[in-house]
Amino acid sequence: QSALTQPASVSGSPGQSITISCTGTSSDVGGYNYVSWYQQHPGKAPKLMIYDVNHRPSGVSIRFSGSKSGDTASLTISGLQAEDEADYYCGSYAIGGTQIFGTGTKVTVL
Amino acid sequence: QVQLQESGPGLVKPSQTLSLTCTVSGASISSGSYYWNWIRQPAGKGLEWIGRLYTSGSTTYKPSLKSRVTISVDTSKNQFSLKLTSVTAADTAMYYCARGESPDVFDIWGQGTMVTVSS
Repeated sequence: QSALTQPASVSGSPGQSITISCTGTSSDVGGYNYVSWYQQHPGKAPKLMIYDVNHRPSGVSIRFSGSKSGDTASLTISGLQAEDEADYYCGSYAIGGTQIFGTGTKVTVL
Repeated sequence: QVQLQESGPGLVKPSQTLSLTCTVSGASISSGSYYWNWIRQPAGKGLEWIGRLYTSGSTTYKPSLKSRVTISVDTSKNQFSLKLTSVTAADTAMYYCARGESPDVFDIWGQGTMVTVSS
């Protein structure tokens, strides 16, 4: 059960849109519509941003959106803001009822 | 609102058992249908799901850790716990407890507690 694959870093200028990919297999991302995304600022606990591929919890900005195609899920941040600079992790329900996380992506706002 | 707080020793010797507790406040751990999870993160690295306990008492563990992990609940104290046996330096990490309304979602997290495995 290897970690889901994410790019190590993604950057963008304020106001731009960026997309973070999360690639798994048919045993996790591709097999279930149970992909979630977490934002983690340094020294803080992760925060749920997206669940079930494209659902936003109450209080999360509409600038965050999720999608999935095959074995790859994506998180898009539109209108990038300085406060979006953080690490982002995807997660997926996996075969056997387990949970697997992605390798993490550092988002830098230029 | 619901809050989670991890507690336990910050230092554990190799080969010993790591024991952590997550205290739930603002709600009863035995009410509703929730999943109570343990997740860890080595310094500078990614998240690793360890396992979960469902309100019914059933548990699911990460396969590679299953032989060493036990997650249990103490409803009288509104707590759930993690025990990890035969620890090594590779178990050094920040340990988080987290709640979810479904097995794949972690919507409430504790602040985390750092555990170092060293003699």
